[in-house]
Amino acid sequence: QKEVEQNSGPLSVPEGAIASLNCTYSDRGSQSFFWYRQYSGKSPELIMSIYSNGDKEDGRFTAQLNKASQYVSLLIRDSQPSDSATYLCAVYSSDDKIIFGKGTRLHILP
Amino acid sequence: DAGITQSPRHKVTETGTPVTLRCHQTENHRYMYWYRQDPGHGLRLIHYSYGVKDTDKGEVSDGYSVSRSKTEDFLLTLESATSSQTSVYFCAISESAGTLEQYFGPGTRLTVT
Repeated sequence: QKEVEQNSGPLSVPEGAIASLNCTYSDRGSQSFFWYRQYSGKSPELIMSIYSNGDKEDGRFTAQLNKASQYVSLLIRDSQPSDSATYLCAVYSSDDKIIFGKGTRLHILP
Repeated sequence: DAGITQSPRHKVTETGTPVTLRCHQTENHRYMYWYRQDPGHGLRLIHYSYGVKDTDKGEVSDGYSVSRSKTEDFLLTLESATSSQTSVYFCAISESAGTLEQYFGPGTRLTVT
């Protein structure tokens, strides 16, 4: 059973600090990795995709991928109260399966 | 929501009744997906479509069927609803396969009593 694991949280971070969200996956052959943000009562929204080892930056967001360790992370710099949401890690596995983690709840403290 | 609508947005139905949820897109994307989201389980794929009349099963397809007669519409049917199918249902679309760059509809909250 291929899995994507995330700490459910809540992760509480002071406003202005860096929020670090982590995700591990079991399928070593996975090639595509994604982060979605979901506000309470709303649908998931794609915020980052990453396909190769290293860092990918987009504004205040940085996705990090380490395939050897089967680890994906999302950093949010200068955290804002509007970043409070659940963040879903998603992986496209080697057998063309779409697997979502259960999400990490992030709470930015004003 | 990237030109994706779902109807109805809320529905309460009784056990044993048939229910059809509709997803409509205006993006002309080839791939469409139905997910359910439940506390403690996250998002789980029910069925997906890779073209008109081309569909396949996802992780939790038992008790569900789908149809796609037009590019823009993807229907999810619960032939005989059960309480375990109480959930929030999301439709998603993507332009190509092998990607999770999906765009989600607003969701349908279904309650089976």
